[in-house]
Amino acid sequence: GAGVSQSPRYKVAKRGQDVALRCDPISGHVSLFWYQQALGQGPEFLTYFQNEAQLDKSGLPSDRFFAERPEGSVSTLKIQRTQQEDSAVYLCASSSPFGQGAFDTGELFFGEGSRLTVL
Amino acid sequence: LAKTTQPISMDSYEGQEVNITCSHNNIATNDYITWYQQFPSQGPRFIIQGYKTKVTNEVASLFIPADRKSSTLSLPRVSLSDTAVYYCLVGPRILTGGGNKLTFGTGTQLKVEL
Repeated sequence: GAGVSQSPRYKVAKRGQDVALRCDPISGHVSLFWYQQALGQGPEFLTYFQNEAQLDKSGLPSDRFFAERPEGSVSTLKIQRTQQEDSAVYLCASSSPFGQGAFDTGELFFGEGSRLTVL
Repeated sequence: LAKTTQPISMDSYEGQEVNITCSHNNIATNDYITWYQQFPSQGPRFIIQGYKTKVTNEVASLFIPADRKSSTLSLPRVSLSDTAVYYCLVGPRILTGGGNKLTFGTGTQLKVEL
């Protein structure tokens, strides 16, 4: 597709349920990021992939959060046993191929996000 | 990574020039300054990036003094559609993993009125 696609756009879950959020990055983009954005706050880094390798997961708030990108393209963010504090917009971003050249700005292309509401 | 400080909010009127300043006192030698714009219910969108002096594109200009400890995003002749949150980010241009993550902060809410 032309841009980063995320699904579902909206998800309502009961406390304790597991949820899975999907991200389709721009074709050919090597880098993929997940961010969490609470209401009124800026996006907070969760995790970063380069191809299928998860190079940084320091932002994941607990072991209930798990992300994968098994074939280096589509990524899934999974949240187990959801809690009310998990309610937020989850943003996915992809970036142009690593080391593309001197003019690669490293610009992040974001999807529209998945809004998770935990009741 | 360098911490950034920017005003929480700014108000302007249509047709005016808006300047949003960001402080980043501990910017590193290989850090670039990047600005993103975010509308409600959308992901952030890249506006402009620079390393030093002045950069201009079709939507904005970015002014960076010689010491690089601050930067100013300039939006010429704003319109109602420029009402958004603007984020200043400082970090390496190409992320290599291992902690090179970009931090958004809380941003500046720009409100443009008639």
